[in-house]
Parts: sequence; C-alpha cells; structure tokens
Amino acid sequence: AQSVTQLGSHVSVSEGALVLLRCNYSSSVPPYLFWYVQYPNQGLQLLLKYTTGATLVKGINGFEAEFKKSETSFHLTKPSAHMSDAAEYFCAVSDSGNTGKLIFGQGTTLQVKP
Amino acid sequence: KAGVTQTPRYLIKTRGQQVTLSCSPISGHRSVSWYQQTPGQGLQFLFEYFSETQRNKGNFPGRFSGRQFSNSRSEMNVSTLELGDSALYLCATRDRGVDTQYFGPGTRLTVL
Repeated sequence: AQSVTQLGSHVSVSEGALVLLRCNYSSSVPPYLFWYVQYPNQGLQLLLKYTTGATLVKGINGFEAEFKKSETSFHLTKPSAHMSDAAEYFCAVSDSGNTGKLIFGQGTTLQVKP
Repeated sequence: KAGVTQTPRYLIKTRGQQVTLSCSPISGHRSVSWYQQTPGQGLQFLFEYFSETQRNKGNFPGRFSGRQFSNSRSEMNVSTLELGDSALYLCATRDRGVDTQYFGPGTRLTVL
C-alpha cells in the first residue's frame, strides 16, 4: 500500500527566507509524486509533479522538488518566500497505472511572516 | 477551457437526510475522482469513475455512492447522513492517459 508522510503540520518562515516542506512516501511500485497547494475556501492547485525522467522538477511560482529514491523523499523548496505563498501544501502519491487515485499526506500549513 | 465545476458550493443538511453533489469536468476529461477533506482525516479518496464505470473505490461505507453520465458529469450521493460526514467534498478530473488531476473548488457539506 502507498502512503505519504509530511513532516511538520505547520511551518513558519520569514518573507524572503528559504521554504522547505518535507514529504516522504512509501510505495511498492514506482511512484508518481505530486505537490498541490490549497488556499482558503478553494480547491487544490497543482504545483509540480514527478513521473519519470529528471529527478529535479520545477513547478509554478518558483517552487521545485527533488525526487530521491534512496531516501523515499520528495521535498518541496522555494529559495525566497513571498507573503502570497501562505497556504496549505499537500504531497500526494499515485502509481503509474492508477493515477485516478491519489494518496495524500496530512498537509503542511505554511505561514509567512513579514 | 473552463475549469472543474462543482455544485452546490455550500450545503446544510440534517442527520438522516441524503445529499447529492455534482461535478462537471473540464471539457474532454473522462475521469472523475472524488475526495473527502476533513480536519481530522485529511484528504481521503472516495472513488473514481471513467467512461461511466467505477474504476477505483476507497474505504468508505456503502452510504457513499456515485455515478457518471455519458457526458462525463459525475454525481456522488451520501445517504443517511451522519455528523461525521461534514466535510469539503472535492472532485478532480483528468484526461485519458494523463497523470494529472485538476480539482474543482469543492462542496462544503455541513450536517446538523
């Protein structure tokens, strides 16, 4: 069975500081990995995804993530936080043959302080 | 293209009632997945429909059901509502052979 663990339910950074949101996964098959962002009272918006190929993936709004198979991790980073990055972030996993079913982590709320 | 549409956006029901939520996919998307989001359990997969057939089902009781129509629009139904069914219900759609799901804004269901 697949699972996702997001370390830290709340992360607080200062504006301009590095953002690092941690995600570890468990999967018995090669995983597809996703990061989604959710703003209050809205649905989920895709930030980036890893399926195959390059392990460093770049997404929207300056975010990127690196797939590390040996560490079963897919951490999300952004060099410089902006106030508008404050939101809830979800890491999710699926397998290549079952991409209609996402397994989500518990989410990390990012607070950005001025 | 227009995004995923969910109706209604907000709903208040009482225990024991039933409710039907609707999801209209992005044009051309034939797969619709449903998720329940609660503060305690987070985001949990309910089921997926593709070409009017249920492909996957999550670990929810039989009170939760769904269907998909020939135009790919999907509905989910919850019968005999319980207080714990209060949640944000999200649907997500994708095109055949594509790995990315696109989410709608959700329906906020409150059960009193």
